[in-house]
Amino acid sequence: NAGVTQTPKFQVLKTGQSMTLQCAQDMNHNSMYWYRQDPGMGLRLIYYSASEGTTDKGEVPNGYNVSRLNKREFSLRLESAAPSQTSVYFCASSPGGAGTYEQYFGPGTRLTVT
Amino acid sequence: DQQVKQNSPSLSVQEGRISILNCDYTNSMFDYFLWYKKYPAEGPTFLISISSIKDKNEDGRFTVFLNKSAKHLSLHIVPSQPGDSAVYFCAASTLSSKLTFGTGTRLQVTL
Repeated sequence: NAGVTQTPKFQVLKTGQSMTLQCAQDMNHNSMYWYRQDPGMGLRLIYYSASEGTTDKGEVPNGYNVSRLNKREFSLRLESAAPSQTSVYFCASSPGGAGTYEQYFGPGTRLTVT
Repeated sequence: DQQVKQNSPSLSVQEGRISILNCDYTNSMFDYFLWYKKYPAEGPTFLISISSIKDKNEDGRFTVFLNKSAKHLSLHIVPSQPGDSAVYFCAASTLSSKLTFGTGTRLQVTL
């Protein structure tokens, strides 16, 4: 099992450009999450999908959109990138449902916006 | 406001000694707590967790202690090994299963 995979690993964008970060999991998990990690800020939740067909905003959703394409895939889109979106982005998944808290993380995408 | 706080950005411990990483929280609705370990250029990996109905959970060299009245948890690593050098994040959850993370503590285990 590959677990949680993310593409690309690195990306450089110019201000105003758009891109989509891809995430897939092969653990048959119901819930998926997108986080960003910035120095001194820990991991902050951008969006999550508790189950296929549903998405909800997290702590820092502005400037992002998500799509839960199917049970396996959860993508994050930046429509018009800004330098403040320079960060490391992590996708995670969890079984979902009552009493399941542990999340499994992908290796991350390092994004730089110039 | 930061609901989960790790006030020590870094910690250096000699190999073989005990490492103690601390975490404080403010939200009394948190009912489950986790520790994650993160190496550079990798995603966080789950280490150990504890439910609010317990005050201690042990897994090999790792023990997590929870003091609900003080809203404080700690991770003990005994004995510390060089491979334990990483950034450690504590995280907390309510019934929603969403996690709120602390800012992390960088542990360096020296020879």
